[in-house]
Amino acid sequence: AQTVTQSQPEMSVQEAETVTLSCTYDTSESDYYLFWYKQPPSRQMILVIRQEAYKQQNATENRFSVNFQKAAKSFSLKISDSQLGDAAMYFCAYMKSAGGSTLGRLYFGRGTQLTVWP
Amino acid sequence: KAGVTQTPRYLIKTRGQQVTLSCSPISGHRSVSWYQQTPGQGLQFLFEYFSETQRNKGNFPGRFSGRQFSNSRSEMNVSTLELGDSALYLCASSPSGSLAYEQYFGPGTRLTVT
Repeated sequence: AQTVTQSQPEMSVQEAETVTLSCTYDTSESDYYLFWYKQPPSRQMILVIRQEAYKQQNATENRFSVNFQKAAKSFSLKISDSQLGDAAMYFCAYMKSAGGSTLGRLYFGRGTQLTVWP
Repeated sequence: KAGVTQTPRYLIKTRGQQVTLSCSPISGHRSVSWYQQTPGQGLQFLFEYFSETQRNKGNFPGRFSGRQFSNSRSEMNVSTLELGDSALYLCASSPSGSLAYEQYFGPGTRLTVT
């Protein structure tokens, strides 16, 4: 079974500083997708960044970047130049890449609550 | 494009009742997935519909059911409500083709069972 583990229930960072959120996952699949979602107090889940497992290059979206270590099954999120608006619960998620019945199902970690101090 | 919409946003029901939640996907999206979010269990997958067919199902009792209409709108139904069904229910839609793995979430329906 696929499991996603986020070992940091809470993290905090000073505004303008950098913070890294950790995520590990367990799978026997070789092809899959990994995601980081952000859930602010409004509860709206927002896709932050995604990584295709077949790509060796780490994904980057503006101030957000990932460190994808496939052999170690590790997928961390780095937020640079943190802003007050980054404060939210961050979820790491996994999805199989095969078509048909396995596509469309996200497996989520328990989340990391990020606080940003001014 | 308008985002995923869910109605109602808030709902209070009594144990034993049934409830129907609605989700309208982003225009052109044919896949709709449902998730339950609780403090105790986190985010759990309920089911996924694609072109009116249930394509994938999570580990929930038969009291939880869903369907999808020809316009891709989806409903989920929970019968014989239990206190433990109190949760935020999230719906997500996905495009077809090469971006089928991207899920866009609605704002959720907060269900409280008393």
